[in-house]
Amino acid sequence: GQQLNQSPQSMFIQEGEDVSMNCTSSSIFNTWLWYKQDPGEGPVLLIALYKAGELTSNGRLTAQFGITRKDSFLNISASIPSDVGIYFCAGQQGATNKLIFGTGTLLAVQP
Amino acid sequence: DGGITQSPKYLFRKEGQNVTLSCEQNLNHDAMYWYRQDPGQGLRLIYYSQIVNDFQKGDIAEGYSVSREKKESFPLTVTSAQKNPTAFYLCASSTGLWYTEAFFGQGTRLTVV
Repeated sequence: GQQLNQSPQSMFIQEGEDVSMNCTSSSIFNTWLWYKQDPGEGPVLLIALYKAGELTSNGRLTAQFGITRKDSFLNISASIPSDVGIYFCAGQQGATNKLIFGTGTLLAVQP
Repeated sequence: DGGITQSPKYLFRKEGQNVTLSCEQNLNHDAMYWYRQDPGQGLRLIYYSQIVNDFQKGDIAEGYSVSREKKESFPLTVTSAQKNPTAFYLCASSTGLWYTEAFFGQGTRLTVV
């Protein structure tokens, strides 16, 4: 099955730094979602995007639905230690709206 | 509290044995899903169910089986035919099939020795 390309694969940053990650595809998506997975837990939905160009915030998190509908971006401002985890993008496409997940970005934040 | 519960959290089995992972939800959701997660990879869909007594194969169904006899329950059996069963297994549910907000369980880490 298809998977989305996420980058970077991992990031090691200092507390207080801003973080950017992205997700790209060769095909168009109708919806983009961003999830966070804490170690040993299931993913939790952070932000959902429904329209090309849409910019949505959730606290210190901001995500954008790319204009081409083939990519999406997630930014985290002023990172804190509890931001540690794996961030997944997911997209929905086609008539079925089946969810397709990205490969994940591992974020480590040093206090 | 409403939620989705997977059990057990950790499971060890000998090679060649079948094992069943439990997934229960009290969210009154119609759709349920099973995903497999391996290090450095995204979630891959094993099976999904839109309603009771109906389920469909996902992208990597070989070596797995499911049942959906009750709305609340969607157990996954990892059979001896699954060549590489050691992985983290996640169950999810949503109001309807492929609805945006899917809720995930805490996962079961299966180790086959």
